[in-house]
Amino acid sequence: DQQVKQNSPSLSVQEGRISILNCDYTNSMFDYFLWYKKYPAEGPTFLISISSIKDKNEDGRFTVFLNKSAKHLSLHIVPSQPGDSAVYFCASRYNFNKFYFGSGTKLNVKP
Amino acid sequence: DVKVTQSSRYLVKRTGEKVFLECVQDMDHENMFWYRQDPGLGLRLIYFSYDVKMKEKGDIPEGYSVSREKKERFSLILESASTNQTSMYLCASSLEGRRNQPQHFGDGTRLSIL
Repeated sequence: DQQVKQNSPSLSVQEGRISILNCDYTNSMFDYFLWYKKYPAEGPTFLISISSIKDKNEDGRFTVFLNKSAKHLSLHIVPSQPGDSAVYFCASRYNFNKFYFGSGTKLNVKP
Repeated sequence: DVKVTQSSRYLVKRTGEKVFLECVQDMDHENMFWYRQDPGLGLRLIYFSYDVKMKEKGDIPEGYSVSREKKERFSLILESASTNQTSMYLCASSLEGRRNQPQHFGDGTRLSIL
């Protein structure tokens, strides 16, 4: 059973609007959470992360929210741009070195 | 900037062959990882290594082995390739886990087993 789930395989958003990508996890021992972006024919690239001792982390247009009680992670992109179109993976870390990934959400930002 | 280089972008092999996938990182990272990516399943960890000659099984190690003789190089070995090992293989590296640093990925090797 997957410990990290992204229940939306795809999301379509208009340019300039907010994109919200969601991720749920099951293991309360996860202590570090990350979002990666992946373009076709490239490896995932790190986007933003958050430690379990925080509930929000911001970097420019990207904000990650962590709700530990709900075991829920979300990524907000504001404003969305066509170049943000990619597959987004969430990841959660266990025991310092073991990372579990979701199945990915394909974001399409329409001009 | 961290560079993780995988030796091949595309590889075609036959059932029963022994297959080697090579990965090199240039940032002196302690940890290195091998994942496979399949549609609808995300990235699944095959093996990781936290030091030279050290390795730990991930979630799907069956049919695979690894080798880490030098800190910068981590090899994935398919002992006897089978068609269900057709997949995208991704190598990653990171600093030691306690430092809350992300993994850095190579561009992947798309492996087809015929």
